[in-house]
Amino acid sequence: RKEVEQDPGPFNVPEGATVAFNCTYSNSASQSFFWYRQDCRKEPKLLMSVYSSGNEDGRFTAQLNRASQYISLLIRDSKLSDSATYLCVVNSYTGGFKTIFGAGTRLFVKA
Amino acid sequence: DADVTQTPRNRITKTGKRIMLECSQTKGHDRMYWYRQDPGLGLRLIYYSFDVKDINKGEISDGYSVSRQAQAKFSLSLESAIPNQTALYFCATSDSGLAGATGELFFGEGSRLTVL
Repeated sequence: RKEVEQDPGPFNVPEGATVAFNCTYSNSASQSFFWYRQDCRKEPKLLMSVYSSGNEDGRFTAQLNRASQYISLLIRDSKLSDSATYLCVVNSYTGGFKTIFGAGTRLFVKA
Repeated sequence: DADVTQTPRNRITKTGKRIMLECSQTKGHDRMYWYRQDPGLGLRLIYYSFDVKDINKGEISDGYSVSRQAQAKFSLSLESAIPNQTALYFCATSDSGLAGATGELFFGEGSRLTVL
């Protein structure tokens, strides 16, 4: 089992749709959580950190459920420019520093 | 100019050759990392360094070595390249994780390596 697992995708949605990405992690001692966005042939960039209380940034909402070891990202009113790969990232510090990336979920938003 | 710069951006080489990928940063971060990305596997950590005299193996360090020449420079070497090291390599930096730090990783634009 991978330490961080994401929906395999790709997701194909029309403009204006709401799309949800899910991610699960296996290490219960994980301490910090992030969503990164990666455009085709580009470097990953931080989209948002994920907090237990949930956080929202415009059309984007991230949630963390520590009990279920589950992270989500919701994009509302999707735009063509949201087309990218979304990476779930988990940090842990048990037995040494460790950052694990999910394989990513590709999103295509179409007109 | 990019805060994290990688050279070369693209390289084609032959099996057995020694290759060095270089990374420099102007962010003033102590922590630097080398990752490789393969389709369907996500990014995997090769080596990381939390300070100039600190070198740590990541999950896939075999076949690679690194050098942290200065706070701003972290180079990755493939002593004898093999075809399964064909991948997209990213250098990244982060702050020191002290109070107020975000843990965000800042990536270079990537170095695409092809080993024939």
